[in-house]
Amino acid sequence: KAGVTQTPRYLIKTRGQQVTLSCSPISGHRSVSWYQQTPGQGLQFLFEYFSETQRNKGNFPGRFSGRQFSNSRSEMNVSTLELGDSALYLCASSSGQVDNEQFFGPGTRLTVL
Amino acid sequence: GQQVMQIPQYQHVQEGEDFTTYCNSSTTLSNIQWYKQRPGGHPVFLIQLVKSGEVKKQKRLTFQFGEAKKNSSLHITATQTTDVGTYFCAGPGYALNFGKGTSLLVTP
Repeated sequence: KAGVTQTPRYLIKTRGQQVTLSCSPISGHRSVSWYQQTPGQGLQFLFEYFSETQRNKGNFPGRFSGRQFSNSRSEMNVSTLELGDSALYLCASSSGQVDNEQFFGPGTRLTVL
Repeated sequence: GQQVMQIPQYQHVQEGEDFTTYCNSSTTLSNIQWYKQRPGGHPVFLIQLVKSGEVKKQKRLTFQFGEAKKNSSLHITATQTTDVGTYFCAGPGYALNFGKGTSLLVTP
């Protein structure tokens, strides 16, 4: 099976702009989770989508949003970018059952100038 | 979600030395997962522990789940340079709650 893919791999934006990141899960996986990773902060959970519905949400401001399509592909959007949004954004897919192993994509490295 | 704390944050060892990272929770965990992230890479699943007192081995890696299911450890025997990376534990849930990780540096 092909792994989790994320596009783009690298992105440079300026403050105030918005950005959309894409994640294609492993075929057959219905759950996609998004994480923000910054140095020293580990992996911070953003949200999880299952069958096109947001099932879980982390403690991030409303500027961070997402959606999932019928083919399980997911997008994450960040509006009004701030310098602190610079991070590696990882998506992970799983079958969607609780406590399932998560398969991570390579991530999108976002730099906000 | 069930939060987990990891210590130490960093560990620098000489090749051949042993290494241990610890994961602690204030609440009982139904299970715990461990992941490894190589520098420049993404987290990769290593193992899941479910039973109280469980011990699992993968070559030089030994994983333990505490009797009270509130803590876990990962021990690497005789580290090698290929062990370099950040090791994360993750508490259970539909979306996992990751600890902040332990970054391991191994010098030859």
